[in-house]
Amino acid sequence: GAVVSQHPSRVICKSGTSVKIECRSLDFQATTMFWYRQFPKQSLMLMATSNEGSKATYEQGVEKDKFLINHASLTLSTLTVTSAHPEDSSFYICSARTVGGEKLLFGSGTQLSVL
Amino acid sequence: AQSVSQHNHHVILSEAASLELGCNYSYGGTVNLFWYVQYPGQHLQLLLKYFSGDPLVKGIKGFEAEFIKSKFSFNLRKPSVQWSDTAEYFCAVSNSGTYKYIFGTGTRLKVLA
Repeated sequence: GAVVSQHPSRVICKSGTSVKIECRSLDFQATTMFWYRQFPKQSLMLMATSNEGSKATYEQGVEKDKFLINHASLTLSTLTVTSAHPEDSSFYICSARTVGGEKLLFGSGTQLSVL
Repeated sequence: AQSVSQHNHHVILSEAASLELGCNYSYGGTVNLFWYVQYPGQHLQLLLKYFSGDPLVKGIKGFEAEFIKSKFSFNLRKPSVQWSDTAEYFCAVSNSGTYKYIFGTGTRLKVLA
């Protein structure tokens, strides 16, 4: 069945390095994917909307140069955290909308820890 | 700006107790409403959704929710919880016709066997 696969599930990196997180739709094509961020004991915060073949739309307050989103195909969107700093440590979750459907499927999330 | 408020951050119940989790939203237009559940170590999963029609919505695993437009509420209920309902529950709202979800802060439910 349709599933959203997100990798890696956990990543630890040094400050100043870049980290790429992948979000794949399995068994369905996703024209639109969403990236969320969740701090401990807080809500999921929408960071950006990623549309296949076009530039991502970022929410207010989200730095587009820091959080690079690429949605090059109908099954893959990537989020790259550039020059990561400890304050970027968080839980990142992607979701994908099924084509022609009203359903959002979520990935399992990526816990990023920046040392 | 849209916002979603979940009043209970932590709830502890014994098995067979009834559950009601509050969710209120702030938005003046037409909304779609959702409840998601995240079991330990698993993805977010859709429990139920409301788009239009009957304001009492039934979802999976015996859950239901009632949309009360005048109160901007979409509370989640289950008559008798089970130990396996231990999870975190998120209420979410989106503008009708879009898929930008605004989530509440979540409620951690622990059911004691």
